[in-house]
Amino acid sequence: EVQLVESGGGLVQPGGSLRLSCAASGFTFSSYWMTWVRQAPGKGLEWVANINQDGSEEDYVDSLKGRFTISRDNAKSSLYLQMNSLRVEDTAVYYCVCPLFYQFLSPLNNWGQGTLVTVSS
Amino acid sequence: DIVMTQSPDSLAVSLGERATINCKSSRSVLYSSNNKNYLAWYKQKPGQPPRLLIYWASTRESGVPDRFSGSGSGTDFTLTISSLQAEDVAVYYCQQYYSTPQTFGPGTKVDIK
Repeated sequence: EVQLVESGGGLVQPGGSLRLSCAASGFTFSSYWMTWVRQAPGKGLEWVANINQDGSEEDYVDSLKGRFTISRDNAKSSLYLQMNSLRVEDTAVYYCVCPLFYQFLSPLNNWGQGTLVTVSS
Repeated sequence: DIVMTQSPDSLAVSLGERATINCKSSRSVLYSSNNKNYLAWYKQKPGQPPRLLIYWASTRESGVPDRFSGSGSGTDFTLTISSLQAEDVAVYYCQQYYSTPQTFGPGTKVDIK
């Protein structure tokens, strides 16, 4: 059974940093592109970033480029999201997601439960 | 970026009746090389992560009841729930995975009338 468990969320002041982690199990982690999706309270879904199987390619939504960095450690079956210069509008539940297929463009069929990041003074 | 829109914002349907949700993309999500529409539908209940229902615009994910169906091509798509059940109360999102950033529609809330 695929399991994705996010951690690292919490309360942080504007301008601060957080590093989210996602522990994956139940599938061959190193075979899949991995993705972060976020959802602000009461709002819709926003694709944040993805990373290829060996970590050599990353892609981000334009609005977050330069502040957020996605990375992975295949030996630990873990995905990360380093978030810097956090803003109030970054407050959201952050989901770690594994796609249905191996390739770059794939629907998202395995979602973690999410971790809440709250940016507030 | 491809912009996704959905209509209506919300709808209320009687149990056993049909619910129809529309989704439109600002550019075609039909990949000519394989004739596939890179369009998915998700269902999200409060406090839960989204669940993939439909991909390639009309392929049901494993375990999804056959009362859920998807149709459409190019820029216009539809999700139909043929006979609404109580457990179908949720917010439904369409998503394009044709290009990055992958983008979602704003969601359609489905309730029981």
